[in-house]
Amino acid sequence: DGGITQSPKYLFRKEGQNVTLSCEQNLNHDAMYWYRQDPGQGLRLIYYSQIVNDFQKGDIAEGYSVSREKKESFPLTVTSAQKNPTAFYLCASSIDTAKTQYFGPGTRLTVL
Amino acid sequence: GQQVMQIPQYQHVQEGEDFTTYCNSSTTLSNIQWYKQRPGGHPVFLIQLVKSGEVKKQKRLTFQFGEAKKNSSLHITATQTTDVGTYFCAGLPFVLTFGGGTRLMVKP
Repeated sequence: DGGITQSPKYLFRKEGQNVTLSCEQNLNHDAMYWYRQDPGQGLRLIYYSQIVNDFQKGDIAEGYSVSREKKESFPLTVTSAQKNPTAFYLCASSIDTAKTQYFGPGTRLTVL
Repeated sequence: GQQVMQIPQYQHVQEGEDFTTYCNSSTTLSNIQWYKQRPGGHPVFLIQLVKSGEVKKQKRLTFQFGEAKKNSSLHITATQTTDVGTYFCAGLPFVLTFGGGTRLMVKP
C-alpha cells in the first residue's frame, strides 16, 4: 500500500522543548517537503529536499531543522527557537519538484 | 521571489449557486496545479494545466489557464455541500508555490 505517512496525528509539547515530526514515504519519490498551515491560512513552505542528503530552506525556515539521510524519510525538528510553533504541519512528496505533490495526513502540534 | 495570489479568501454560497476562485502569479508559470483540502484534511491534487489558454473540465469543475500563463481560475457549477473545502492553486517555474487558498462554504 503506497503512500506518505506522518506520525503522530496530534502532538503536545511544553514550551522550550524541541520536537521531531516524522514523515515517511514509500512512493520512491525524490522530492519531499514540509509545510506549515495556521488556522484558515494557506500553506507555507518550511524546507524541501530534492534528493537524499540535500535540502533547501523555504519561506519560513527559521526555528526549524530537517535531515534527509534516506530517500523514504524527511523528519522535521521544531526547535525552541521557533516563536509560535503551534500549527498544522504537512509533509508532501513528489517525483521531482515540478510534479504533483502527494500530502500526508498532517500532524497537529500544540505547544503549551 | 515568485508570488501566487488567490482571491477571494473566503466565499459563502447557497447550494446550487456557482463559485469561482482566481489565481494570479507575479511571474510566468510553466504549469499550474489545483488542490482541494477538505476541513480537517490534507490537500489532494485535482488537476494540472500546462498549455497557454488550456481549459479542462472535471464534471462540474472547470479549470482555465490564462493566455499569458500568469493566471488561472477554477469554476464550480451548481455547488453541492460536498464541494466544501479550501481550494489552492500552485504554480511553477521551479518549486511549486501555493497560493493562499479560497475557502468555500456551501449553505444547504
